[in-house]
Amino acid sequence: QKEVEQNSGPLSVPEGAIASLNCTYSDRGSQSFFWYRQYSGKSPELIMSIYSNGDKEDGRFTAQLNKASQYVSLLIRDSQPSDSATYLCAVNPNQAGTALIFGKGTTLSVSS
Amino acid sequence: EAGVVQSPRYKIIEKKQPVAFWCNPISGHNTLYWYLQNLGQGPELLIRYENEEAVDDSQLPKDRFSAERLKGVDSTLKIQPAELGDSAVYLCASSLATAGGPDTQYFGPGTRLTVL
Repeated sequence: QKEVEQNSGPLSVPEGAIASLNCTYSDRGSQSFFWYRQYSGKSPELIMSIYSNGDKEDGRFTAQLNKASQYVSLLIRDSQPSDSATYLCAVNPNQAGTALIFGKGTTLSVSS
Repeated sequence: EAGVVQSPRYKIIEKKQPVAFWCNPISGHNTLYWYLQNLGQGPELLIRYENEEAVDDSQLPKDRFSAERLKGVDSTLKIQPAELGDSAVYLCASSLATAGGPDTQYFGPGTRLTVL
């Protein structure tokens, strides 16, 4: 069974700190990786995608991928209270058009 | 560009009643997904369409759930009869899937179903 594992948290960080969210996946053949943010009562919103080993930066967000270790992470710099949400890691196991496999999500709380 | 549209946003029904959810994907997106999200869990696939063809319905409880995507655009998901355990959020997503290309799925606002 293909699995995506995340620490459910909550992860609590003070405003301005770096939040680090981690995710591991079981299918070594997975090709694409996504981070979605989900506010309470809302639907998942895509914030980052990554396809190759290494880092990908977009504003305050950096996604890191290590396929050898089957590990994906999301760093949020200068965390803001508005970043408080559940962050879902999603993995596409093989090719475009395939359903995503989601982790259970990590709840992030940023205190002001 | 308009996003994925879903209706209704909320639905409360009694058990054994039927219910239907509607989804209009992003214009031009060929692939449509219905996911189920229980509280505290990530979304889980119910059914995936490529154009009008259901290409993955292995997780759809076919004794009570049905879905259609006529003309390869809008889609309807139906539950008949609903059970208490069906209370959840039903999410529709769409993507423009091309062979060998990146595939980003965009989600609609979801329908929150409560079965009493």
